[in-house]
Amino acid sequence: KAGVTQTPRYLIKTRGQQVTLSCSPISGHRSVSWYQQTPGQGLQFLFEYFSETQRNKGNFPGRFSGRQFSNSRSEMNVSTLELGDSALYLCASMRQSSYNEQFFGPGTRLTVL
Amino acid sequence: TQLLEQSPQFLSIQEGENLTVYCNSSSVFSSLQWYRQEPGEGPVLLVTVVTGGEVKKLKRLTFQFGDARKDSSLHITAAQPGDTGLYLCAGAQGGATNKLIFGTGTLLAVQP
Repeated sequence: KAGVTQTPRYLIKTRGQQVTLSCSPISGHRSVSWYQQTPGQGLQFLFEYFSETQRNKGNFPGRFSGRQFSNSRSEMNVSTLELGDSALYLCASMRQSSYNEQFFGPGTRLTVL
Repeated sequence: TQLLEQSPQFLSIQEGENLTVYCNSSSVFSSLQWYRQEPGEGPVLLVTVVTGGEVKKLKRLTFQFGDARKDSSLHITAAQPGDTGLYLCAGAQGGATNKLIFGTGTLLAVQP
């Protein structure tokens, strides 16, 4: 069974631009969560989607948004990029009826210049 | 607010040594996961513990969940260079969300 895939793997943007990251979950997994990982803050929860509905949102500004499609694929968008948005963005998928066991993709490394 | 504290933050040991990593919180978790992450990759799930006092073994790794489900430990016996990586604990508080709260991480380096 294929794992979680994320595209692109690496991205370089400049301040003020916007970016869209994509995540394809493991087949059959309907829950997708996004996390931001930085050296200073560690792994921070961004949001979670299940059946195209956002179920939970972390403490991030409104510039961070996401959505989920009917095939469970998910995208996240960051508008008006700031230098502090440079991070590894991780997507995780989960099957229902599990103990929150999440399977992570390789991440998208975003660098904002 | 960081709810899960891991210690130590960094650990550099020689091959063959034993080590223990701790994950502590003042909150109760419905389940707790341990992950290992290598540079440039996403975390990989090692184990899930769900019952207070539970002990799980994965080859040379032993995981324990505290009786009150607020803390956990990971013990590695006879560490090998392949154990090198960032170890993360993550707690789930249950309910209608799958959100995980991650620990601060322990960076382990095993020297040959």
